[in-house]
Amino acid sequence: AQKITQTQPGMFVQEKEAVTLDCTYDTSDPSYGLFWYKQPSSGEMIFLIYQGSYDQQNATEGRYSLNFQKARKSANLVISASQLGDSAMYFCAMREGRSTGFQKLVFGTGTRLLVSP
Amino acid sequence: DTAVSQTPKYLVTQMGNDKSIKCEQNLGHDTMYWYKQDSKKFLKIMFSYNNKELIINETVPNRFSPKSPDKAHLNLHINSLELGDSAVYFCASSHSGGGGQETQYFGPGTRLLVL
Repeated sequence: AQKITQTQPGMFVQEKEAVTLDCTYDTSDPSYGLFWYKQPSSGEMIFLIYQGSYDQQNATEGRYSLNFQKARKSANLVISASQLGDSAMYFCAMREGRSTGFQKLVFGTGTRLLVSP
Repeated sequence: DTAVSQTPKYLVTQMGNDKSIKCEQNLGHDTMYWYKQDSKKFLKIMFSYNNKELIINETVPNRFSPKSPDKAHLNLHINSLELGDSAVYFCASSHSGGGGQETQYFGPGTRLLVL
């Protein structure tokens, strides 16, 4: 079964508008971490934001915020005031495992975001 | 200074050859990883090392052999390359703690093409 589900293969947004990229996860472990990464066309994987399962508040990093709804097991990424440079592939990932070194990331299939002028 | 670096960036080789990819991190992390990204952009973990010790080996063919000479380096050697090995290989590193410390930082990737 998919542990991380990103249902939007592609999203379009106009510059300066906000966009939400969806991510749902599945785990029975009470301790987990959720991450979003950006992969531009140049190929590198850029860490954007982290949310811990015990964090009470939604994570924010500049124009990025994570809408964490634990009961729904969703961790949507919100990008405010989109810029042309935000056009990229976005991956949601979950940290599985607690023991030292056993913490691997499980990735979703990604959402390709295109920001138009 | 680049935090996680990989060499080479591109690797084009013939089927049956043996090749290596090197990875170095200067973040002071104690855990390093290899991930494979296939042609559909799906990322999957292959290996993780903690303090030079192999911790995760995710059903990867034994043609793939990682080696960690020290905490800052993790290399990947691939024997008898096959067409299906063509992919982008990412190295990553992190601390082993929780609470966000385990955030993994990725290298630029090595694009391997097997002909």
